[in-house]
Amino acid sequence: GQNIDQPTEMTATEGAIVQINCTYQTSGFNGLFWYQQHAGEAPTFLSYNVLDGLEEKGRFSSFLSRSKGYSYLLLKELQMKDSASYLCAVMDSNYQLIWGAGTKLIIKP
Amino acid sequence: EADIYQTPRYLVIGTGKKITLECSQTMGHDKMYWYQQDPGMELHLIHYSYGVNSTEKGDLSSESTVSRIRTEHFPLTLESARPSHTSQYLCASSEYGDTGELFFGEGSRLTVL
Repeated sequence: GQNIDQPTEMTATEGAIVQINCTYQTSGFNGLFWYQQHAGEAPTFLSYNVLDGLEEKGRFSSFLSRSKGYSYLLLKELQMKDSASYLCAVMDSNYQLIWGAGTKLIIKP
Repeated sequence: EADIYQTPRYLVIGTGKKITLECSQTMGHDKMYWYQQDPGMELHLIHYSYGVNSTEKGDLSSESTVSRIRTEHFPLTLESARPSHTSQYLCASSEYGDTGELFFGEGSRLTVL
């Protein structure tokens, strides 16, 4: 079956760096997405990786290794507003998105 | 900024009622989706559409229907609501087809008593 694994919850300190990992097993691969979802709100797009390597966008970076079925989202200079759930999603060979359950990130002062 | 709207935002109804969740987008996107999400759980695809007069079933489609008569409108109907339908329903659209990012509405939180 198809599977996306990411930690359920992580805690980090304001101003620090945190890395959220995502491993996947899917039937085919057409890209990996990261979304941010604040409590009670809709997900918003953060990044898209289809080739191996690191994509940097401001304080957020996303890395992909297709051979390892692995990605991570790196958040730098953490701010309190970064407290949210971070969803990893993979597009399979049928161009359907397979979603992880999300990682709840708690930022402490 | 995304322009995709869902109504109602919150709904409490009794078992057996028929309900329609509305979703409209003003971005001219061809692809639209309905997802169901429970707290702390992954999104599950209910239905999706590639464009006008196109509708496809997702993983959880058996108890609901959709229509796509206009590009901007993609309503979801539950013919007979049950307590198991209590959940958050998210509508989304995308511009670039298969590899484009999704723009989500704010969601409709449904409670069936």
